[in-house]
Amino acid sequence: KAGVTQTPRYLIKTRGQQVTLSCSPISGHRSVSWYQQTPGQGLQFLFEYFSETQRNKGNFPGRFSGRQFSNSRSEMNVSTLELGDSALYLCASSLGFRTGDYGYTFGSGTRLTVV
Amino acid sequence: KQEVTQIPAALSVPEGENLVLNCSFTDSAIYNLQWFRQDPGKGLTSLLLIQSSQREQTSGRLNASLDKSSGRSTLYIAASQPGDSATYLCAVRLGTSGSRLTFGEGTQLTVNP
Repeated sequence: KAGVTQTPRYLIKTRGQQVTLSCSPISGHRSVSWYQQTPGQGLQFLFEYFSETQRNKGNFPGRFSGRQFSNSRSEMNVSTLELGDSALYLCASSLGFRTGDYGYTFGSGTRLTVV
Repeated sequence: KQEVTQIPAALSVPEGENLVLNCSFTDSAIYNLQWFRQDPGKGLTSLLLIQSSQREQTSGRLNASLDKSSGRSTLYIAASQPGDSATYLCAVRLGTSGSRLTFGEGTQLTVNP
């Protein structure tokens, strides 16, 4: 079966711009989580969506937002980009909120570079 | 606040060696623990998932153990191969944090031919 699909794979943006990243979870998975990975901070949780509702949010500024559609696909948006937003953004899907039996499957990530 | 620590940060071994990677966590009220592998510039590949009620999981040459009371997990890799070279990450999910995973910093493994 298809895995978690993230698009685009690579992105270069200028400071002040905004960006939208997309994540399509594994078919049947209803929970989508987003993580930011940087060399200095490691992997940090951004937010989690289940059934089109944000269920959990990490400690990131309001410039970071997301949403989930009825088909479970999710997008995250970063507005007013800063150099420090350069990172690998990873999406993970799971069968359901609080359903931990199956763990999480991650996508290949979107590499965002802010110049 | 849950903290996850992985030791060592980097490890270099000759091919064929058996090795152990360590992961410790501060809050023992975990729901499960998952080990991942990450190749440079790539996403995470799940290796093993251990539920809080389990003591260990095995997959091929990999064996992961969990000791909740001491806040530790180990990943044992038998007969290491150059293809095992990657960064290994452990991630803990607390029972009270929904689906949030807390990751360690990872162990960068190099297996030399």
